[in-house]
Amino acid sequence: DADVTQTPRNRITKTGKRIMLECSQTKGHDRMYWYRQDPGLGLRLIYYSFDVKDINKGEISDGYSVSRQAQAKFSLSLESAIPNQTALYFCATSDYPTGEGNIQYFGAGTRLSVL
Amino acid sequence: GENVEQHPSTLSVQEGDSAVIKCTYSDSASNYFPWYKQELGKRPQLIIDIRSNVGEKKDQRIAVTLNKTAKHFSLHITETQPEDSAVYFCAASSNDYKLSFGAGTTVTVRA
Repeated sequence: DADVTQTPRNRITKTGKRIMLECSQTKGHDRMYWYRQDPGLGLRLIYYSFDVKDINKGEISDGYSVSRQAQAKFSLSLESAIPNQTALYFCATSDYPTGEGNIQYFGAGTRLSVL
Repeated sequence: GENVEQHPSTLSVQEGDSAVIKCTYSDSASNYFPWYKQELGKRPQLIIDIRSNVGEKKDQRIAVTLNKTAKHFSLHITETQPEDSAVYFCAASSNDYKLSFGAGTTVTVRA
């Protein structure tokens, strides 16, 4: 879905480096999420934000931080990257629930390798 | 928190046959159960979802069933086609609307 854009698409970095992954959306959604995907582990929630002033930890937030710069922008930072943070990272957005559920729209993903 | 288990982890079916993926959840407060499909190298996309006040939902060749008492739900794909080959994820959510995903099922449709 081109409405959710992640940059960069691929990144190789070294252990100990600081790295930021960016997500922007034009869908006008208030809710944004960061997941990581590892083979055999599915999608695990890192952080989520229900509006600009709301930031919440997910199930695997250790070693990560986030910033919600605006309704449309949600960035994920690795302050000091380590090899086991090598994974595929997805940003997702959703609208305020209307009773139809919580449909999440994913970006194309960022493949991160930490050497 | 919610724990979602998904089985099988891999599934190989002959083209034209049916495929069934099963998930169980732990939180009895969960009331929304979506299924996402992720084709190779692509992003996950919603294919069907069901709410807890409904027992079954169908959309062409795919259907989802929910058993609230047993806390499990299943995805059924009939008349499988090569384009059904993908990784499928189930998920569950309660009123705070965070999704907890299963580990995924890799479906391969053999021609």
